[in-house]
Amino acid sequence: QKEVEQDPGPLSVPEGAIVSLNCTYSNSAFQYFMWYRQYSRKGPELLMYTYSSGNKEDGRFTAQVDKSSKYISLFIRDSQPSDSATYLCAMRGVTSGTYKYIFGTGTRLKVLA
Amino acid sequence: NAGVTQTPKFQVLKTGQSMTLQCAQDMNHEYMSWYRQDPGMGLRLIHYSVGAGITDQGEVPNGYNVSRSTTEDFPLRLLSAAPSQTSVYFCASRRGTSGTDTQYFGPGTRLTVL
Repeated sequence: QKEVEQDPGPLSVPEGAIVSLNCTYSNSAFQYFMWYRQYSRKGPELLMYTYSSGNKEDGRFTAQVDKSSKYISLFIRDSQPSDSATYLCAMRGVTSGTYKYIFGTGTRLKVLA
Repeated sequence: NAGVTQTPKFQVLKTGQSMTLQCAQDMNHEYMSWYRQDPGMGLRLIHYSVGAGITDQGEVPNGYNVSRSTTEDFPLRLLSAAPSQTSVYFCASRRGTSGTDTQYFGPGTRLTVL
């Protein structure tokens, strides 16, 4: 079993829809949770990060972490065609041996105009 | 700031050839990493460095060497290329190991081994 599981999609939604992207993980030592956006043929760029459990909002994006369920989510409100990309979740711990990022496989999202 | 730069953007090798992928950053970051990205596999860590002169293996180090003689540069060497090393390679850097340190990625090198 992989440490981080992410549905690869693809996920196609109409413009304006609310998008929900999710990851599950198995290592309870993870404390930092990140979402990266990767456009085609580009490097990943950090979208949001969250420490421990809770929610974090940034414009149209909301990241949620539920450590009890080992489940993280990224919600995109009022999705736009420019949001079409692959979204990667990533996580890491805070102690020696867990500094390295562990990435999900990425979910490909297409927002249709 | 240029951020993280990688050269070349594309490369085709024959089996058994060697080459070096270049990575440089101008943010004075201590922590640098090399990843490979394959369909359905996500980003996998090859090697990383926590500072000049210090390197360590990641998840998939076989067939690759690294060195870190300066803070800015972190080249990745393929010793004897194999078709299984066909992939997209990303270099990344971050200031340190604090959880709030953002990891920045380069644009990637697309490598094909025939």
